[in-house]
Amino acid sequence: AQKVTQAQTEISVVEKEDVTLDCVYETRDTTYYLFWYKQPPSGELVFLIRRNSFDEQNEISGRYSWNFQKSTSSFNFTITASQVVDSAVYFCALEMNRDDKIIFGKGTRLHILP
Amino acid sequence: GAGVSQSPSNKVTEKGKDVELRCDPISGHTALYWYRQRLGQGLEFLIYFQGNSAPDKSGLPSDRFSAERTGESVSTLTIQRTQQEDSAVYLCASSTRLAGTGELFFGEGSRLTVL
Repeated sequence: AQKVTQAQTEISVVEKEDVTLDCVYETRDTTYYLFWYKQPPSGELVFLIRRNSFDEQNEISGRYSWNFQKSTSSFNFTITASQVVDSAVYFCALEMNRDDKIIFGKGTRLHILP
Repeated sequence: GAGVSQSPSNKVTEKGKDVELRCDPISGHTALYWYRQRLGQGLEFLIYFQGNSAPDKSGLPSDRFSAERTGESVSTLTIQRTQQEDSAVYLCASSTRLAGTGELFFGEGSRLTVL
């Protein structure tokens, strides 16, 4: 079965702190894709990043970075020097190559306190 | 418009009534997904359309739920005999659907309240 687990339901940090959002996935497929989406208070989900299962290189985009480790089936997301505007719900998602269905974790609600 | 459009944005209905929710995907997007998001919860997969292939209905929670899509355009999600537990935001998303390029473009959702 395919599954995405975001164990952290809610996190609060003070502005400028670094924060890591965890994502653990389960799949028997060898080819799959991982995503992170952001859902700000306005409600509309916004795509952040995708990764395919053959590319374990970590990625950095500004204050955002992602750590993909197949050995632990994890795809964690770190925000460096957090800002109040980072407050949102963040979803990790998994797509299997064989059926294209994209399933989401339950999300982590992130509060950045001024 | 350029984005995914959903209507109505808000719907309040009485228990037992049928409702239809509409999604206009981005032009040229062959894939269309419906998700349900209950208050404070994650996204629950409902159904997936890809071109003219048979839809993946594996996420529909009961036979009261159905969805149609005309070609690669508009989709309608129908909930019959609504129950209070159906109250949620129903999100539609579309993508170009080359495997793994799957950036989903989401609509703003249809908020359904069943009294």
